Amino acid sequence: NAGVTQTPKFRVLKTGQSMTLLCAQDMNHEYMYWYRQDPGMGLRLIHYSVGEGTTAKGEVPDGYNVSRLKKQNFLLGLESAAPSQTSVYFCASSYLGLELSPRNEQFFGPGTRLTVL
Amino acid sequence: AQSVTQLDSQVPVFEEAPVELRCNYSSSVSVYLFWYVQYPNQGLQLLLKYLSGSTLVKGINGFEAEFNKSQTSFHLRKPSVHISDTAEYFCAVSDRAAGNKLTFGGGTRVLVKP
Repeated sequence: NAGVTQTPKFRVLKTGQSMTLLCAQDMNHEYMYWYRQDPGMGLRLIHYSVGEGTTAKGEVPDGYNVSRLKKQNFLLGLESAAPSQTSVYFCASSYLGLELSPRNEQFFGPGTRLTVL
Repeated sequence: AQSVTQLDSQVPVFEEAPVELRCNYSSSVSVYLFWYVQYPNQGLQLLLKYLSGSTLVKGINGFEAEFNKSQTSFHLRKPSVHISDTAEYFCAVSDRAAGNKLTFGGGTRVLVKP
């Protein structure tokens, strides 16, 4: 199993450009998440999905859109990139969210380092 | 809204010395608690987690953490660190009421010196 994969690994954009980050998981997880990591701030949740066809806003959703057309994929889009979106983006997935179970663990991808000039 | 505070942003420590990383959270409801480690240029890896039961939790690589409900803390410890423990460590709290969303602390960077 590949676990959680992210593409691309690195990207440099100019202000105003658009791009899509792809996250894929092969663990049949229902829940998927997008985070951004900035120095000293830990990881902050951008958007998440509790199942195919559903998405919800997290802590810092502005400037991003997401789609979950297939259970195994979760896409993060930047329509008009801004320098403030320079960050490392992590995708994660988990089996379910509410049950008291070891399956609560979130599994993380390796990250995408995005620079917006 | 929940918040997670990691009191130390950086912790230098000598090899074979003990280390403690402090974590406090604000939520008063039942929570799940996690410690993740991020090695340089890698993603996050789960070290250990508290879901219920014993308040002393043992994880991988010799780490352990103690859940203290009255102090809303979940401090991470290792009795003897190795150079390979140099990494950034994140404490996180899971909101059981809404989608298992994790709230992360700001991270503690551990630098193990020879």
